[in-house]
Amino acid sequence: DVVMTQTPVSLSVSLGGQVSISCRSSQSLVHNNGNTYLSWYLQKPGQSPQLLIYKVSNRFSGISDRFSGSGSGTDFTLKISRVEPDDLGVYYCGQGTQYPFTFGSGTKLEIK
Amino acid sequence: EVKLLESGGGLVQPGGSLRLSCAASGFTFADFYMSWIRQSPGKAPEWLSFIRNKANSYTTEYNPSVKGRFTISRDDTQNVLYLQMNTLRAEDTAIYYCAKHLKLGFDYWGQGVMVTVSS
Repeated sequence: DVVMTQTPVSLSVSLGGQVSISCRSSQSLVHNNGNTYLSWYLQKPGQSPQLLIYKVSNRFSGISDRFSGSGSGTDFTLKISRVEPDDLGVYYCGQGTQYPFTFGSGTKLEIK
Repeated sequence: EVKLLESGGGLVQPGGSLRLSCAASGFTFADFYMSWIRQSPGKAPEWLSFIRNKANSYTTEYNPSVKGRFTISRDDTQNVLYLQMNTLRAEDTAIYYCAKHLKLGFDYWGQGVMVTVSS
């Protein structure tokens, strides 16, 4: 299975600040078709996960441009700028390139 | 508005069976791949299975952790996704979500249904 390693496990940020979350995969996430199926999700307390970013850098419908994804191969980053109170929760990366699809263990974002 | 509503969860004894359902609305269900994903409390989600659409012959994929015990299916006439779970174990205890696919990610998730396997 492709292991997804997220760092840090948790982070605390002031409102208006910026954070970066790293996600590394144990194998390249470049699919045979040339696409890279790396997504980012936010799970707010008591809710289901919601899609933020798909295919590395594409923001899902309605997602603020404060969220941006980047990376390639095995190294990926989610950046959140101008952090707002509604951004708190656990962020997961996930890959859809190889079966079984797998998720990282999560990064908990707290607001100072 | 896309809605996914799971049902069929509950308490079951080890070795027992359950069938989960996911009623979909707000999109053309028949056109999309669909998945089941579960999450134990405090843990990361675990993808279980997905089913392709009719254009791709309803073919399926499974996580080896559940292959041979769980079966995914769909009824495009009723807009319902199913997960038949057999030979349940304590480690199958989790919240089970259905999710709609977008580019081999998951763009919409249901609210989840709890499955508890315990004697």
